[in-house]
Amino acid sequence: DIQMTQSPSTLSASVGDRVTITCRASQSISSWLAWYQQKPGKAPNILIYKASSLESGVPSRFSGSGSGTEFTLTISSLQPDDFATYYCQQYKSDWTFGQGTKVEIK
Amino acid sequence: EVQLVESGGGLVKPGGSLRLSCAASGYTFSSYAMSWVRQAPGKGLEWVSGVSGGGRSTYYADSVKGRFTISRDNSKNTLYLQMRSLRAEDTAVYYCAKCLGSFGPNSYFDYWGQGTLVTVSS
Repeated sequence: DIQMTQSPSTLSASVGDRVTITCRASQSISSWLAWYQQKPGKAPNILIYKASSLESGVPSRFSGSGSGTEFTLTISSLQPDDFATYYCQQYKSDWTFGQGTKVEIK
Repeated sequence: EVQLVESGGGLVKPGGSLRLSCAASGYTFSSYAMSWVRQAPGKGLEWVSGVSGGGRSTYYADSVKGRFTISRDNSKNTLYLQMRSLRAEDTAVYYCAKCLGSFGPNSYFDYWGQGTLVTVSS
């Protein structure tokens, strides 16, 4: 089974900050990686697929990069609506989520 | 507009059974794989099970293999999860999710339902 490890678990930031979240896979997953955003009491929403492709309708301040085992999600300028929990997911072999990164207000 | 609506959650005793349903609309249901994902209270997301568009290929997380059965009725545009031998650790909100592709793996989740809560407790 492929394991996914995100860091950090919690991140405190201010509006306007550049934020980076890292996700590592236990083995190569090529670019079969997605990022989701989840707000309390709501279902997750897709942000990025295939490691760096922006889902339609998602603001361009979100970007993804990486391949193989190391991936990053970057928010170029954090907005009030971005305070949420973010999950990476591999979909090369079945599906596995990272443990999540909560982005909090500093 | 794609809509996924889960139902069937509730309180069940340890060792009991429950069947969840997910009614889909707004797209050609049989053309896309589907999955179940759960989230225990205050915890992260855990993929549970998946099924191909035609229903012939199924996939399970080790934590539920042998206890849960995923199925779909393409004539009713409905996804199911039959859960047996339930344990306290199965307590979670269960989401159904639509895969972008028809086969399953190599396909991310582009739409999610609102979730249904399953509580396993005596």
